[in-house]
Amino acid sequence: GNSVTQMEGPVTLSEEAFLTINCTYTATGYPSLFWYVQYPGEGLQLLLKATKADDKGSNKGFEATYRKETTSFHLEKGSVQVSDSAVYFCALKAGGGADGLTFGKGTHLIIQP
Amino acid sequence: DAGVIQSPRHEVTEMGQEVTLRCKPISGHDYLFWYRQTMMRGLELLIYFNNNVPIDDSGMPEDRFSAKMPNASFSTLKIQPSEPRDSAVYFCASSLSSGNNSPLHFGNGTRLTVT
Repeated sequence: GNSVTQMEGPVTLSEEAFLTINCTYTATGYPSLFWYVQYPGEGLQLLLKATKADDKGSNKGFEATYRKETTSFHLEKGSVQVSDSAVYFCALKAGGGADGLTFGKGTHLIIQP
Repeated sequence: DAGVIQSPRHEVTEMGQEVTLRCKPISGHDYLFWYRQTMMRGLELLIYFNNNVPIDDSGMPEDRFSAKMPNASFSTLKIQPSEPRDSAVYFCASSLSSGNNSPLHFGNGTRLTVT
């Protein structure tokens, strides 16, 4: 079956540090890949996506590249801010059905000033 | 656009009581999803609807759980009777279509505590 594995948190960094949150996946076919972010007390919001191999998704300074050879979609940001503190979810969508969205367990990111 | 609206934000109830969670999707969205979030299991898809019709309820944990969508602008998730292990945050989400360019839009969730 399909699955997403994320690095466990919490991840604690200082402001302006470089961020990497690892994500690897297992899926049949050629899935689309997503990062969602959940701020405290809120629902998940789409952060970025990539729909085919070697695509790079980017938004708000975050980037992730779809690596088919390593089945990975690591999230990166060059300089984090306190406002980036949130829980980040990697997800995949395999096939055309709406039920194909599979989430990882989430990584809690804490940015200290 | 007001986004996906869920109510209540918090619900505290005693074991054995009936609980009803409510969701109003974004207008025009054809898909509606109910998810449950816990520390142990993360996000789990419970059920989803397309054009008000339940498509896949294989994620519904037990017969105590039921979901309805009587019209395009309203859905409910009911737990009867509730148990302490049902304590979680329940999210409703909607999307315009099933395509990859149609992301899920989540509500702010209902935090359920069953004592």
